Amino acid sequence: NAGVMQNPRHLVRRRGQEARLRCSPMKGHSHVYWYRQLPEEGLKFMVYLQKENIIDESGMPKERFSAEFPKEGPSILRIQQVVRGDSAAYFCASSPPGTGGGETQYFGPGTRLLVL
Amino acid sequence: DQQVKQNSPSLSVQEGRISILNCDYTNSMFDYFLWYKKYPAEGPTFLISISSIKDKNEDGRFTVFLNKSAKHLSLHIVPSQPGDSAVYFCAARRNSGYSTLTFGKGTMLLVSP
Repeated sequence: NAGVMQNPRHLVRRRGQEARLRCSPMKGHSHVYWYRQLPEEGLKFMVYLQKENIIDESGMPKERFSAEFPKEGPSILRIQQVVRGDSAAYFCASSPPGTGGGETQYFGPGTRLLVL
Repeated sequence: DQQVKQNSPSLSVQEGRISILNCDYTNSMFDYFLWYKKYPAEGPTFLISISSIKDKNEDGRFTVFLNKSAKHLSLHIVPSQPGDSAVYFCAARRNSGYSTLTFGKGTMLLVSP
């Protein structure tokens, strides 16, 4: 059973470009969470999605950031018009249906975004 | 406002000795606590957890202690091994229907042979 997969692992963008980060949850998992880790910081919750639904986006910046988890395919975290402050590691986690507890959140390896 | 605090950015311990990693929280709504371990270039992996109705949970070399009145928890690793060298994150959540995790900044543990 493959773990949570994220791609790309590293992404370099220039200011003003768009960044698309993909997350494929573990097989059988229908809950996806996105976290951001800024340098020297802990992981900060961004958004929680189930298939075709955003459940909690209280941690998402109000502008430029969006997330989706379509019926088919991976979850996408999209950052429009990136700025240098968006440089961070973005982690995706997934958990099985009917759960939400932390110990059932399995993390992917992260995407490291660098904005030049 | 940081609701979960790990005040020690790093800790060095000799192999075989005990490692004690500390974590404090401020939100009294938190009632479930977790420790994650993270190696460089990997995602965090779940290590051990504790509910607020308990004050201790043990799993092999790892024990987590919770002092609810002090809003403090600690992770003990004994005996420490070089493979334990990693960043350890404390996390907390509310025990509602679903709940997102609030993480501390992490403590880097280095276990030397």
